[in-house]
Amino acid sequence: NAGVTQTPKFQVLKTGQSMTLQCAQDMNHEYMSWYRQDPGMGLRLIHYSVGAGITDQGEVPNGYNVSRSTTEDFPLRLLSAAPSQTSVYFCASSYLTPGQGFSYEQYFGPGTRLTVT
Amino acid sequence: AQTVTQSQPEMSVQEAETVTLSCTYDTSESNYYLFWYKQPPSRQMILVIRQEAYKQQNATENRFSVNFQKAAKSFSLKISDSQLGDTAMYFCAFPQGGSEKLVFGKGMKLTVNP
Repeated sequence: NAGVTQTPKFQVLKTGQSMTLQCAQDMNHEYMSWYRQDPGMGLRLIHYSVGAGITDQGEVPNGYNVSRSTTEDFPLRLLSAAPSQTSVYFCASSYLTPGQGFSYEQYFGPGTRLTVT
Repeated sequence: AQTVTQSQPEMSVQEAETVTLSCTYDTSESNYYLFWYKQPPSRQMILVIRQEAYKQQNATENRFSVNFQKAAKSFSLKISDSQLGDTAMYFCAFPQGGSEKLVFGKGMKLTVNP
């Protein structure tokens, strides 16, 4: 199994550009999520999905869009990049236990370092 | 609102020493799970240990153990016999309101010195 894969590993954007960060997992996990990591802020949840066709907002969703058309893929779209979106982005996936929400570990991708100039 | 608090931003210890990382959280749920993740300089997030709130017994994984105080909403991580490879950021994580939103603390940077 490849686990959780993310592309690209590094990206530099100019303000106003759009792009899509790709995330894929081959573990048949129902749950997938996107976090951003900034110094001193920990990991903050951007969007998450509990299954194909279902997405919801996390703590910091503004400026980002997601969709989940398959179990395997969960791309994150930056609509109009801003310098405040300079960060490291992590995708993660997990099983869900019905009625118990989070009981299993999340498997993380290697991260994407994004710089917006 | 932040529901997971790691009050110590940074610690350093000598090799072979024992160190405790603190974490407090806020919830009205009675049944939930708590997690500690490690992020070494490679940036990869790795699960260290998981605790189920309804279990009285504290979780243990080799040199890593937790001190779970449910009433105090405290979930500290103890690392025994510290090794250089333990140098990393450590994050406490908790499902917000029993939902699928996993909330992370701000992290603590641990440095193990030779």
